[in-house]
Amino acid sequence: GQNIDQPTEMTATEGAIVQINCTYQTSGFNGLFWYQQHAGEAPTFLSYNVLDGLEEKGRFSSFLSRSKGYSYLLLKELQMKDSASYLCAVTDSNYQLIWGAGTKLIIKP
Amino acid sequence: DTAVSQTPKYLVTQMGNDKSIKCEQNLGHDTMYWYKQDSKKFLKIMFSYNNKELIINETVPNRFSPKSPDKAHLNLHINSLELGDSAVYFCASSQGTGDYNEQFFGPGTRLTVL
Repeated sequence: GQNIDQPTEMTATEGAIVQINCTYQTSGFNGLFWYQQHAGEAPTFLSYNVLDGLEEKGRFSSFLSRSKGYSYLLLKELQMKDSASYLCAVTDSNYQLIWGAGTKLIIKP
Repeated sequence: DTAVSQTPKYLVTQMGNDKSIKCEQNLGHDTMYWYKQDSKKFLKIMFSYNNKELIINETVPNRFSPKSPDKAHLNLHINSLELGDSAVYFCASSQGTGDYNEQFFGPGTRLTVL
């Protein structure tokens, strides 16, 4: 079966750094997405990785290791507005997007 | 100039009723999706259409019927609503169905079945 694992919830402090991990077992791999979803809102695109390595975009970076079936989202200089759920999703060999259950990130002052 | 829009935003109805949710995208995308997000926040794909043709039909009750009159619209009709249908339903669209299929989501429709 296909499976994506993320921690259910994480807590971090404003101004700090947090890393949200995602491991996947899918039938094939054609890319990995990270989405952000604030409570009561729609998911919005954050990043895309298809090759191994780190993709940096401002305060957010995403890393991929295809051999390990592993990715992480790194959030620096945390702000209160970063409190949200972070969804990891993988495109499989049929080009279907398989979603993780999301990690709820709580930022404390 | 909303990219993906859904109506209604909130829908409260009684068990056994039939209801529809409409979705429109003005991004010129070829592929549209319907997702269900339950109280546990898990996002589950229900249907996917590419150029008005069904390409994904996950295991959902046949009380749910999607309809795509053109590639900019994908509506969801639900018959004989049940309590377990209460959830947030998201419509989304993407340029295609290849590897980089970034999806753009509508604001969601919160359905409450009483």
